[in-house]
Amino acid sequence: GENVEQHPSTLSVQEGDSAVIKCTYSDSASNYFPWYKQELGKGPQLIIDIRSNVGEKKDQRIAVTLNKTAKHFSLHITETQPEDSAVYFCAAIPYSGAGSYQLTFGKGTKLSVIP
Amino acid sequence: DAGVIQSPRHEVTEMGQEVTLRCKPISGHNSLFWYRQTMMRGLELLIYFNNNVPIDDSGMPEDRFSAKMPNASFSTLKIQPSEPRDSAVYFCASKQRESTDTQYFGPGTRLTVL
Repeated sequence: GENVEQHPSTLSVQEGDSAVIKCTYSDSASNYFPWYKQELGKGPQLIIDIRSNVGEKKDQRIAVTLNKTAKHFSLHITETQPEDSAVYFCAAIPYSGAGSYQLTFGKGTKLSVIP
Repeated sequence: DAGVIQSPRHEVTEMGQEVTLRCKPISGHNSLFWYRQTMMRGLELLIYFNNNVPIDDSGMPEDRFSAKMPNASFSTLKIQPSEPRDSAVYFCASKQRESTDTQYFGPGTRLTVL
């Protein structure tokens, strides 16, 4: 099955700096890569996603890049703000061919933005 | 529109007791997922329904865990008997249909088994 590795596990940045979180996946059949943000006491919320036919996607201060050859994808947050502090999860969906579309999550990155 | 609704938000019980967690997916969504989150293991998929039918329950840890989806707007996850190692946050998520990708998560139920 799919295996998703996420690094780093914790990340501290100064407000206004950029933050980068990296993930690798094992199943070359994976074709959808979402990123979720989880704030304390809440469920994960989708913030951005990318499909395997696209190399990069941006949404304001957030961007995701995908390298299919190397099987890794990254989340980039620019001009970080204190409200960006949360746990971020990457995930991948391999199409199993049996109609199963299961998300496999990384272990998460706790981002702290220091004012 | 209301998101995924879970109840209770917190549950404290004693070992051996039965626990039932409830989920109402987003209206019109046909796929529903139950996840468990712990510090050690992260987010784990327990079971996945499509059109109220269980598709994959390979993540259910033991026979003590069972899940049902009697209709499109309600699902339960039951643990009987509960054990301290079941303590975790349990999330329900739904998506529009099997072939779509985006899952929407509920706020979770924090379960503590003493």
